[in-house]
Amino acid sequence: DVKVTQSSRYLVKRTGEKVFLECVQDMDHENMFWYRQDPGLGLRLIYFSYDVKMKEKGDIPEGYSVSREKKERFSLILESASTNQTSMYLCASSTPPRNIEKLFFGSGTQLSVL
Amino acid sequence: AQTVTQSQPEMSVQEAETVTLSCTYDTSENNYYLFWYKQPPSRQMILVIRQEAYKQQNATENRFSVNFQKAAKSFSLKISDSQLGDTAMYFCAFMLYSGGGADGLTFGKGTHLIIQP
Repeated sequence: DVKVTQSSRYLVKRTGEKVFLECVQDMDHENMFWYRQDPGLGLRLIYFSYDVKMKEKGDIPEGYSVSREKKERFSLILESASTNQTSMYLCASSTPPRNIEKLFFGSGTQLSVL
Repeated sequence: AQTVTQSQPEMSVQEAETVTLSCTYDTSENNYYLFWYKQPPSRQMILVIRQEAYKQQNATENRFSVNFQKAAKSFSLKISDSQLGDTAMYFCAFMLYSGGGADGLTFGKGTHLIIQP
């Protein structure tokens, strides 16, 4: 089975801290994604990457950056965390062209910024 | 840009009843996929069912089926013989066929489904 692992299930940080959320997949997938999930707003795409060192902005990239130095790892970075970034963050991966429609999700990181 | 709308924030039904969750979407594209995902309290996103837009036949997976109306841009999920384990958030989602899926899914805001014993 494909596994998408997010390094932390819960994380508490202070305003202004630099925060790294890590995601690793073990199936050599080309595409990786970071979503943010908020009650009443569903999942919104922050950034995605379709290859090593490639990145594209999603719908809500402000306040975030990403890094993909290796194919299996996709990191989400909050340069200076703010309270409005308190949320659940979900990582996902997929592989074109076979099964392009199937996304595999991690189990999420609940981030609280105090 | 594509949008997905789920108009029911929360629904509650009795165990063993049939329930239908609504979803509409907006796109100018012709080739795409539609999905229903389930997210139980464990937070793990689970794919319930998917539909290719070029297929006229509605997808079915055991107790789960969809009513796909392409012209109306409607994609509802029917759960038959509902069970307590069906209690979860349900998300409708859209993916363009072109681009190799590299731009991911567009999600609706979700419907919280509660199955009462």
